Amino acid sequence: GAVVSQHPSWVICKSGTSVKIECRSLDFQATTMFWYRQFPKQSLMLMATSNEGSKATYEQGVEKDKFLINHASLTLSTLTVTSAHPEDSSFYICSARGGSHTEAFFGQGTRLTVV
Amino acid sequence: AQKITQTQPGMFVQEKEAVTLDCTYDTSDPSYGLFWYKQPSSGEMIFLIYQGSYDQQNATEGRYSLNFQKARKSANLVISASQLGDSAMYFCAMREYSSASKIIFGSGTRLSIRP
Repeated sequence: GAVVSQHPSWVICKSGTSVKIECRSLDFQATTMFWYRQFPKQSLMLMATSNEGSKATYEQGVEKDKFLINHASLTLSTLTVTSAHPEDSSFYICSARGGSHTEAFFGQGTRLTVV
Repeated sequence: AQKITQTQPGMFVQEKEAVTLDCTYDTSDPSYGLFWYKQPSSGEMIFLIYQGSYDQQNATEGRYSLNFQKARKSANLVISASQLGDSAMYFCAMREYSSASKIIFGSGTRLSIRP
């Protein structure tokens, strides 16, 4: 399968600071990228869908000014958690789809802890 | 609106036995795809198998097969000859091709293999 790399794999930050998470497709062009959030022992909750070169489409209830998504190239999307608070602590995982692939491939995930 | 239901929060199976993980879905889109992903404790999402709504035959990938019953809107995952390494969370997911084409996940089933 195709490879999607997500960085960092874990991050601890202070409340009020911003954190950027990168998602890269290494061997295919990702026309669409998805960002999910996963609470412990729960399913993946879709936060937003981004298509290269256009604004992200956010799911209902997700604050777009809080979770900034940029998909500037066919191989990179970023999620910035702005003014992070402890309730933003979670596992964030991206997935990418494109090329000849029907399925979406996932990054390794980022465990964010806000203290 | 699309919806995925996994009714088994947890399952225990003896090593080398076959196991079936249930998944039902709801959609009004005639064109859709069904996916199964495995999530070990490390958090990564591993793609297992895909079934398209127009595929005539059930998908198979090694020890994984998908029991697709379109009229009943079910897409159960069958794992044959289970191994200790199969212990993980398993998520059923769906993508509607006619609409936003986002991938939505079920609540997951935690599979534990007993030696």
